[in-house]
Amino acid sequence: DAGITQSPRHKVTETGTPVTLRCHQTENHRYMYWYRQDPGHGLRLIHYSYGVKDTDKGEVSDGYSVSRSKTEDFLLTLESATSSQTSVYFCAIRSAAGATDTQYFGPGTRLTVL
Amino acid sequence: TQLLEQSPQFLSIQEGENLTVYCNSSSVFSSLQWYRQEPGEGPVLLVTVVTGGEVKKLKRLTFQFGDARKDSSLHITAAQPGDTGLYLCARNTGNQFYFGTGTSLTVIP
Repeated sequence: DAGITQSPRHKVTETGTPVTLRCHQTENHRYMYWYRQDPGHGLRLIHYSYGVKDTDKGEVSDGYSVSRSKTEDFLLTLESATSSQTSVYFCAIRSAAGATDTQYFGPGTRLTVL
Repeated sequence: TQLLEQSPQFLSIQEGENLTVYCNSSSVFSSLQWYRQEPGEGPVLLVTVVTGGEVKKLKRLTFQFGDARKDSSLHITAAQPGDTGLYLCARNTGNQFYFGTGTSLTVIP
């Protein structure tokens, strides 16, 4: 358990509304990640952060923005949600640097955009 | 591309049977991780393999890293219903991690 929580755990929203998902960690890890998981696509990286106010895009960043104002919190925002953003969203932290670093995941947020 | 191909995509077996799932890529990995994900939860790390030809065992699970470090396999002996889940392989390149699409395993009691 890497002390990662996500909120909310479930959300239903309507097309065009803004949505913010929160990831919170308690162990002061430098790297944090947001993924989406969809059937047939596995886990795909949306954005990641390598420190406070330091973020970069992943494979599927269009339509998403992130912010990290504190080490412990990494926020994912959908500025105007679309039905294609219906997915399960996972936050993760990176445990160490080097060839054997790995990731620990939060419990996920299931988002439905109607 | 960082594509990781996993096979089979789905697998349903009886309790007590053995199985092998595969993770392949056209490029060389510096290391590879295997994760298991249960329904409604996030993936959980099982093992990391680093050296070509490396074999690691975790109870009834045996992980092998190919000699050329382009592929890996996971073998489960005498599968149990508790082994049911989605098995994902992953590699990291710099700051980013890339995941395969997974093998969904169902072990029937």
